[in-house]
Amino acid sequence: SYELTQPPSVSVSPGQTARITCSGDALSKQYGYWYQQKSGQAPLLVIYKDNERPSGIPERFSGSSSGTTVTFTISGVQAEDEADYYCQSADSSGTYVVFGGGTKLTVL
Amino acid sequence: QVQLVQSGAEVKKPGASVKVSCKASGYTFTSYEINWVRQATGQGLEWMGWMNPNSENTGSTQNFQGRVTMTRNTSISTAYMELSSLRSEDTAVYYCARGCRSSSSTPAASPWFDPWGQGTLITVSS
Repeated sequence: SYELTQPPSVSVSPGQTARITCSGDALSKQYGYWYQQKSGQAPLLVIYKDNERPSGIPERFSGSSSGTTVTFTISGVQAEDEADYYCQSADSSGTYVVFGGGTKLTVL
Repeated sequence: QVQLVQSGAEVKKPGASVKVSCKASGYTFTSYEINWVRQATGQGLEWMGWMNPNSENTGSTQNFQGRVTMTRNTSISTAYMELSSLRSEDTAVYYCARGCRSSSSTPAASPWFDPWGQGTLITVSS
């Protein structure tokens, strides 16, 4: 089965930069996507196709890709950014969608 | 605005079946796949499968093959996910999500999910 690996947790102080990585072999062939999930809410798409930002998503949210790793970055973290973040992609054939295990972002 | 609205929470006994609905609005229902994702309490997201509302073709992970049925009623822009032979481990919030692809996407390209329904809590308990 195909897997995406994320760190379980990341902690940053307000105003600092938070980076969350997601690794998986098929990421060299597939785009990575990122979702924000606040407590008790449905996930919200925040980055698509590695580095595209949907309408309405703050500019401080960005994404990048290198080899088999995609990275989600929040520049100038705010208290409201505290949430779980999930990466998503698919196997190289596009048959099976997979999510990373999620990263809990704590704003100190 | 584009929106997916799901049916309400349900409590089921082990061995029973449950059917969750997902009503789409704000876009052409048959133009986008509907995907189903579940999340057990305190756990991560687990993709279950997809349905093409135009063709009613479906696909699901091995974990759910034989137990999940995805259907739709195009006249009311509503997708359904039925899960049978429920067990306690199926207790979770179930989400529907619209699968998006760009016009330049190849068939093998992964979709992204936007928007998501609000989620439906299914509790399996004797």
